[in-house]
Amino acid sequence: EVQLVESGGGLVKPGGSLRLSCAASGFTFSNAWMSWVRQAPGKGLEWVGRIKSKTDGGTTDYAAPVKGRFTISRDDSKNTLYLQMNSLKTEDTAVYYCTTFTSSSPDAFDIWGQGTMVTVSS
Amino acid sequence: SYELTQPPSVSVSPGQTARITCSGDALPKKYAYWYQQKSGQAPVLVIYEDSKRPSGIPERFSGSSSGTMATLTISGAQVEDEADYYCYSTDSSGNGVFGGGTKLTVL
Repeated sequence: EVQLVESGGGLVKPGGSLRLSCAASGFTFSNAWMSWVRQAPGKGLEWVGRIKSKTDGGTTDYAAPVKGRFTISRDDSKNTLYLQMNSLKTEDTAVYYCTTFTSSSPDAFDIWGQGTMVTVSS
Repeated sequence: SYELTQPPSVSVSPGQTARITCSGDALPKKYAYWYQQKSGQAPVLVIYEDSKRPSGIPERFSGSSSGTMATLTISGAQVEDEADYYCYSTDSSGNGVFGGGTKLTVL
């Protein structure tokens, strides 16, 4: 069964840091481009960023609101995706989803985790 | 920054056709994708690359794109289709962008 399971969410103070993990199973993780999408309480979906497979360069791209503060990385030996979040702001409060695609279309996110909640508050 | 614009809400009666639009300046050159999200659940892909339907998605869901507007059509909407729908595309740099979302009410 293809599955993504996020973990690492919690409560953190403004200015603090948090690292989210996304454990993948049921597909060849090393070949997958992985993305993070977030959703603030009662708000819409927001693309956070992506990391390509090492075969495709392993490069990362980020949305403007998180660029320079968030870092996406991967450990293909552990089938795990990470989101390192630094200098957190209250507006980063959201459910964070990891997602990927199984077709040939990199933006057709057909596999999603259940999400992990991050609350930034003093 | 690049934006995709959707109507906040659409309402139809069961069996009617629901149409949800998404406008964006780059849509003539970029694909549109549509995601369905029911309350408390992760999003589900219902249309990709403007008009392709993933396996398992009912045939009543279809997509089209013309000029700067993409449209999700639900032919014969059912009560279980009530959800938030988000269009998605990419900007000139290839970064992802979601529309603001449309709440579909079927009653």
